[in-house]
Amino acid sequence: SQQGEEDPQALSIQEGENATMNCSYKTSINNLQWYRQNSGRGLVHLILIRSNEREKHSGRLRVTLDTSKKSSSLLITASRAADTASYFCATDAYSSASKIIFGSGTRLSIRP
Amino acid sequence: EAQVTQNPRYLITVTGKKLTVTCSQNMNHEYMSWYRQDPGLGLRQIYYSMNVEVTDKGDVPEGYKVSRKEKRNFPLILESPSPNQTSLYFCASSLNFGGETYNEQFFGPGTRLTVL
Repeated sequence: SQQGEEDPQALSIQEGENATMNCSYKTSINNLQWYRQNSGRGLVHLILIRSNEREKHSGRLRVTLDTSKKSSSLLITASRAADTASYFCATDAYSSASKIIFGSGTRLSIRP
Repeated sequence: EAQVTQNPRYLITVTGKKLTVTCSQNMNHEYMSWYRQDPGLGLRQIYYSMNVEVTDKGDVPEGYKVSRKEKRNFPLILESPSPNQTSLYFCASSLNFGGETYNEQFFGPGTRLTVL
């Protein structure tokens, strides 16, 4: 079962522009995480946001969480070529809090 | 250097030949997990372990076994591999994940498995 669904599936923007990716999930959660994956490599953790938090920042990254809408967004500001990657959201399965469910990801391409 | 290592990185095998993919972490993490990644499906959790001798099923455990005899190691065993287990496999670890505490996961570099 897939808990998180990212939107859009693919996004292509010009270098310097902002990129926004969305994640929707189905059940209550304790936390939501965003990861980045460069082509075929291991995932790198970006941000973890807990269910009682609404917004978190890390450098050029901003994550919001709306538990009433069961959705989260990842904003990357002033995009760079190195931001080209796939981005995944992941949540715990509330009823089985140590189980982790990933979405299918957003493929982000930054055009020079 | 803090890391999660997996071996082998690439493996081509035949149907029915038992294999083990090893995973080791040097960060004294309690939580470890295995995922498979297939095109268009994202990552799906196979098994996870909260601590030594504690393992639990993820979303796609069929055809896989795991063990957690030591804190640092979490091998993935395919007793009788089949072609539908051809995939990219990732091991990950986290200080804790569950209850009151959630921490980031650190991922290994992946193991590309092909079952003929």
